[in-house]
Amino acid sequence: GQQVMQIPQYQHVQEGEDFTTYCNSSTTLSNIQWYKQRPGGHPVFLIQLVKSGEVKKQKRLTFQFGEAKKNSSLHITATQTTDVGTYFCAGGSLMGGGNKLTFGTGTQLKVEL
Amino acid sequence: DVKVTQSSRYLVKRTGEKVFLECVQDMDHENMFWYRQDPGLGLRLIYFSYDVKMKEKGDIPEGYSVSREKKERFSLILESASTNQTSMYLCASSLPPRVRSYNEQFFGPGTRLTVL
Repeated sequence: GQQVMQIPQYQHVQEGEDFTTYCNSSTTLSNIQWYKQRPGGHPVFLIQLVKSGEVKKQKRLTFQFGEAKKNSSLHITATQTTDVGTYFCAGGSLMGGGNKLTFGTGTQLKVEL
Repeated sequence: DVKVTQSSRYLVKRTGEKVFLECVQDMDHENMFWYRQDPGLGLRLIYFSYDVKMKEKGDIPEGYSVSREKKERFSLILESASTNQTSMYLCASSLPPRVRSYNEQFFGPGTRLTVL
């Protein structure tokens, strides 16, 4: 079945440093979504990318979808303590008319002052 | 705002017990999902449902069953709980792609189940 791997599993940064997490799928994806889970919370949707090579920005966050639609990345510029949490990518496949997602293993980000 | 609620935040059960986890969403979403979350493994899909009385197996359905008798409610059942089912269980719902292109999933707060 479809597998989605994420690296790194953990990342500790100093506040102000940049951060990147990478996501790789074993199969071509129809779309990729990114979620953030704060400590003790539940995953919350950040963004969806659909097109090959697509790049989207949300303030300090930049999301990319690879040309082959098998990989993606999330880059945070100048991290802040509010960025702490686990970031998940989720690859979409069209099955049964729905939106089954295969979640990556997640990258846990810790930001130190 | 979409609201997804789960019946319990914390649950402790004994090996062999039958366990019911309930999930309710209030936004008339057609799709509902059950995941389990374990450290280092991310979210793994147990079962999902695209419509009332319809269910499909996810990646790790063994030891679980589901029920969807009403559109807003999706139940996860552990027929005979085992210690390896100790985990965080997350329910989610979404609209199908034909209705909304941004078919993001909305998650409930989770149920942390401990099986002794």
